[in-house]
Amino acid sequence: GQQVMQIPQYQHVQEGEDFTTYCNSSTTLSNIQWYKQRPGGHPVFLIQLVKSGEVKKQKRLTFQFGEAKKNSSLHITATQTTDVGTYFCAGPVGSGGSNYKLTFGKGTLLTVNP
Amino acid sequence: DTEVTQTPKHLVMGMTNKKSLKCEQHMGHRAMYWYKQKAKKPPELMFVYSYEKLSINESVPSRFSPECPNSSLLNLHLHALQPEDSALYLCASSQVAGRGYGYTFGSGTRLTVV
Repeated sequence: GQQVMQIPQYQHVQEGEDFTTYCNSSTTLSNIQWYKQRPGGHPVFLIQLVKSGEVKKQKRLTFQFGEAKKNSSLHITATQTTDVGTYFCAGPVGSGGSNYKLTFGKGTLLTVNP
Repeated sequence: DTEVTQTPKHLVMGMTNKKSLKCEQHMGHRAMYWYKQKAKKPPELMFVYSYEKLSINESVPSRFSPECPNSSLLNLHLHALQPEDSALYLCASSQVAGRGYGYTFGSGTRLTVV
């Protein structure tokens, strides 16, 4: 079935360095969502992107949706230890309505060395 | 109230036991979900309820039986589980099923089958 591929699987950075995770789909996505899961925690919704070429910012986080709506990225500027966790992209599978399924990428585990 | 509450937080059960996981939300969301998450893996969709009706069953074994008594509650009844069913079980909700809505996850039930 349709899958959202996410890279890298792991990323270790020094505090203050930047971080980026990428998601790619073989088919056009109607939208893409991003979630953060802290170690031992649960996924927390960060944002949804819907429009081609869309860019959204949340403080140090910048989210992009590709022009073809087949890829997306999350960029964190000047990482902090509070950014530690696994970042998941999630894309839709199904025609919509009650058949809509949100399928998660494999996630990128970010660790930050203080 | 912007939370999804799951009980219990931890559960250890034998392979012959019957137990239930409970999930509650008071955000007026009309879609509720069960996800299963193994360590270092993304959440995997199990069931989708839309307006209290089961709309998606991702070929989940019958030893898992979902129930949605009303728009605020979602249960997952467990019977004759296997050790490989040990995982974090996450409940989530969204305004309605379909594209355009972020999911609110509960903190999960960490299940161990012995």
